[in-house]
Amino acid sequence: DAGITQSPRYKITETGRQVTLMCHQTWSHSYMFWYRQDLGHGLRLIYYSAAADITDKGEVPDGYVVSRSKTENFPLTLESATRSQTSVYFCASSPERRGGRRNEQFFGPGTRLTVL
Amino acid sequence: QQQVKQSPQSLIVQKGGIPIINCAYENTAFDYFPWYQQFPGKGPALLIAIRPDVSEKKEGRFTISFNKSAKQFSLHIMDSQPGDSATYFCAASPKAAGNKLTFGGGTRVLVKP
Repeated sequence: DAGITQSPRYKITETGRQVTLMCHQTWSHSYMFWYRQDLGHGLRLIYYSAAADITDKGEVPDGYVVSRSKTENFPLTLESATRSQTSVYFCASSPERRGGRRNEQFFGPGTRLTVL
Repeated sequence: QQQVKQSPQSLIVQKGGIPIINCAYENTAFDYFPWYQQFPGKGPALLIAIRPDVSEKKEGRFTISFNKSAKQFSLHIMDSQPGDSATYFCAASPKAAGNKLTFGGGTRVLVKP
């Protein structure tokens, strides 16, 4: 099915463990983004990617690692999970801008991560 | 440092009322201001967007008002319905930032029947 998917949808892990959240989109969008959503903070950008093999830090990148070897996949890894990383994580994608026109971001369904 | 400040955090209105959500920004390089709507358990989705060269934009029952000199913009939901109950996020993007957005803190809107 076309669209943007995230897996797992729910994850419980323990402090210090490595966790990888997966994001896959079938539109061949150039841009992909990872956000975390916490009450009172809205959506905060963790990392984004303008194309395969091009990634850049967002507002809150510490403790996270990303890679983008293929256009359609953008995994987010928590190298050593901490309780402060308990959150809902959203992946989004967006087509390349053309002619100065802005393009909307299409969001996945989210992954609810709990770090005990 | 929150570059886009959104208020209120939550809002309750009766059906037919007009919830108003306000956002303020500081970065004068912002030139694109979208609003996203999020239903419980779902990802946000684009609702409506405006550029600073217009003062108002309407799409159905949703209206954005924009005040460039005050660096403020707001969302009005006309004739609100229970199905409009959701969390609303304002966002902003500067011209040189590709498709990157800076989001406000969100407003939870509840429309009572």
